[in-house]
Amino acid sequence: SYVLTQPPSVSVAPGKTARITCGGNNIGSKSVHWYQQKPGQAPVLVIYYDSDRPSGIPERFSGSHSGNTATLSISRVEAGDEADYYCQVWDSSGDRYVFGTGTKVTVL
Amino acid sequence: EVQLLESGGGLVQPGGSLRLSCAASGFTFSTYAMGWVRQAPGKGLEWVSSISGSGGFTYYTDSVKGRFIISRDNSKNTLFLQINSLRAEDTAVYYCAKDSQQWVVQGGFDYWGQGTLVTVSS
Repeated sequence: SYVLTQPPSVSVAPGKTARITCGGNNIGSKSVHWYQQKPGQAPVLVIYYDSDRPSGIPERFSGSHSGNTATLSISRVEAGDEADYYCQVWDSSGDRYVFGTGTKVTVL
Repeated sequence: EVQLLESGGGLVQPGGSLRLSCAASGFTFSTYAMGWVRQAPGKGLEWVSSISGSGGFTYYTDSVKGRFIISRDNSKNTLFLQINSLRAEDTAVYYCAKDSQQWVVQGGFDYWGQGTLVTVSS
């Protein structure tokens, strides 16, 4: 089955850029979606179809992907960005959604 | 405003059943695929099942095939998840979610409910 691998944690200083990777076999050929989840809350879609932002999501959030890695970048990181982040793809070979393992972003 | 409101969670014994519901409003329900995602305590997100807007196509993660049934009533703007033969590992918060694109089941989930907790324990 298709697997998406994320680093368990990323630490970043306020005002810097956080980059969260999502590794998967030939993920560059798939559409990648990203979610932010804060403790006790439902996930929020922050990037869909690789690099599109839903309305209300700051331009500081951006996405890219190529080859076997997708990346969510958060520029000018703020304390409020501290959360768990998950990538997701639709695996058409198995007709299923797959979530990544999740990355906890800590703002120093 | 899009709203998704789950109900039906609770404490159930192993081997038992529950029916989760998700009442949707604020969008044309019948044109969007919908899904269920669960999260075990302290764990990550796990996609459980999705259904096309018409209800004609359903999809499941392997661990629930044959035990869970997703369905929808477009006349009542309601999504369901019938969960049978429950196991301890099914204990989780179950979220209802709306697919971001009309017609297709692959656009990611742009709206989520608040979740309903299912606890499987004797």
